[in-house]
Parts: sequence; structure tokens; C-alpha cells
Amino acid sequence: AQTVTQSQPEMSVQEAETVTLSCTYDTSENNYYLFWYKQPPSRQMILVIRQEAYKQQNATENRFSVNFQKAAKSFSLKISDSQLGDTAMYFCALPRRGSQGNLIFGKGTKLSVKP
Amino acid sequence: GAGVSQSPRYKVAKRGQDVALRCDPISGHVSLFWYQQALGQGPEFLTYFQNEAQLDKSGLPSDRFFAERPEGSVSTLKIQRTQQEDSAVYLCASSLGEGSFSYEQYFGPGTRLTVT
Repeated sequence: AQTVTQSQPEMSVQEAETVTLSCTYDTSENNYYLFWYKQPPSRQMILVIRQEAYKQQNATENRFSVNFQKAAKSFSLKISDSQLGDTAMYFCALPRRGSQGNLIFGKGTKLSVKP
Repeated sequence: GAGVSQSPRYKVAKRGQDVALRCDPISGHVSLFWYQQALGQGPEFLTYFQNEAQLDKSGLPSDRFFAERPEGSVSTLKIQRTQQEDSAVYLCASSLGEGSFSYEQYFGPGTRLTVT
């Protein structure tokens, strides 16, 4: 069965510092996508970054980057120069095999950025 | 353009009542997903539409849950005879492509359902 595990329920970081959120997953697929979504307190979930499994290069979007280790099935999110607006729940997600793209989400990590 | 909208944002229902939750996807988006998010958990898939066709309803927890998208745009999730365990946030998401796991899903703000 496919699973997504986020082992850090809560994390905090000082403004302007760097933080890394962990995610491990399990799938038998060889080609797949992985996603990090952000859900601020207002609850509208937005995509932060996506990674294609067949690409060896780690994805980067401005201050957000991933460390994708395919063999280890690890997909961590690094946030550089943390800002107060980064305070949110962060979810790692994997499309379910054989589906139309419906996502399997981890339980999330609550990130608090402190001034 | 406008994002995904959902209404109502909050709904309180007495146990046994029927509720209807509405989702307006982004115009032109073929795919529409419904998820259920319990407190402190990640969203869990309920059902998927490609245009007006409901292609996957494997996540619906019981036959009290019913969803439709009759004209391939607006979708309604209906819960009959609500139970306390139905209390959750119901999220709707749409995406441009059909049946592809590479397309970004755009989420609505959700409807928080509380069953008393």
C-alpha cells in the first residue's frame, strides 16, 4: 500500500532562519510526482513545490527547495530565510497509484515562524 | 481569475439532518476532487469527477454520502442523516487536466461541518 509519513507534528523556527520538514513515503511506482502543500490558518491549501521522480535534480521555488532521495523514499522540504507568512500546516502528498490523480496526504507538520 | 469557491463556509447540523455542500471550481477545469479533513489530520480522498462523470467514488465512507456534478462545472456533496463522525472540513479541489497526476490541484477554502 502507498503511504506518506510526516514524523514531525510541530516545528518552530526563528524568522530569517532555515528549517527542514521531513517526509517519507512508500510506493511501488517508478515514475510519480510528489508534492508539498501549505495550508495557512485560513485553510485554503496551496501548492508549494512539486518533484517528478524521474528527475534527479531537486526542485526549487524561490525560498523553497526539496531534498529528494528516491532510493530512500524521502522527500524533505527546506524553507530558507523563513518569514512570518510561512506559518502554516505543511502536507506532503503522493498521487494514488491507478487513480485519476487523487492525493494521499501525510498528517502534516505545523510550522510556526517566530519573530 | 477566481479560484475555487465553496459554500457555505460553516455549517452546523443536528444529527440526522441532511446537508448539501457546494463547490464552484475554476472555470474550464476538467477534474474535480472532494476530500474530507478531520481535525489535526491530512485530507482524505472522497470522490473524483472528470467533467460530469463520477469516475471514482472509492473514498466515500458510506452510502449516506452522495456527490454530483451534472453539468461538468459546479459540484454538490450531499450527506444524508448526518452523524457526529461526519464532522470535518470538506475540501474541494479542481485541476485543468483529466486523469493525470501531474496537474496541480487548486483547493477551495473548505466547508467546516459540525454535527451536534
